[in-house]
Amino acid sequence: GAVVSQHPSWVICKSGTSVKIECRSLDFQATTMFWYRQFPKQSLMLMATSNEGSKATYEQGVEKDKFLINHASLTLSTLTVTSAHPEDSSFYICSAGTGGTYGYTFGSGTRLTVV
Amino acid sequence: GQQVMQIPQYQHVQEGEDFTTYCNSSTTLSNIQWYKQRPGGHPVFLIQLVKSGEVKKQKRLTFQFGEAKKNSSLHITATQTTDVGTYFCGQGAQKLVFGQGTRLTINP
Repeated sequence: GAVVSQHPSWVICKSGTSVKIECRSLDFQATTMFWYRQFPKQSLMLMATSNEGSKATYEQGVEKDKFLINHASLTLSTLTVTSAHPEDSSFYICSAGTGGTYGYTFGSGTRLTVV
Repeated sequence: GQQVMQIPQYQHVQEGEDFTTYCNSSTTLSNIQWYKQRPGGHPVFLIQLVKSGEVKKQKRLTFQFGEAKKNSSLHITATQTTDVGTYFCGQGAQKLVFGQGTRLTINP
């Protein structure tokens, strides 16, 4: 089945620095990937749709200059949290797939802690 | 965009009891998907429902899609401790938007 790999699984960074998270589709090509954020005991909130070779589509209320998304190849999307602050601490998770009969496959997530 | 409302937010049951979570939408849905997220884990796809009135079963799990395609339910018969987790419904034609989720805890 489809496998999505996400790295790192956890990261601690200092306030003001930037952090890059990678999402790879290992056994299929993904022209579209999705980035979600999940706060403790809450649902997954869709942040943006990552489109291979073009600009990402951001959901309402998500700062595109803060959450930079790059989808340079059919198997890799990256999310960079720029100038991170403690309020950006969260669980970030990516997904890919067709969304049809087999649904979407999620990466294992990245737990970001900004100190 | 379309949002689905999911209830209850939490459910605690004794092992062996049944469990049901519901998703409701004010508009007609093209499809609905169900996912399970174990504590500390990531969502795992369970099933997709597309047809009006559709019912699908996976062992002790029964999924239903309403006749009007505005609501859906997930029912677990005789829960086991391995069923612990948060169950999400999600919908969307070209992107997946989740409901609030129902967290299931089980007393063994």
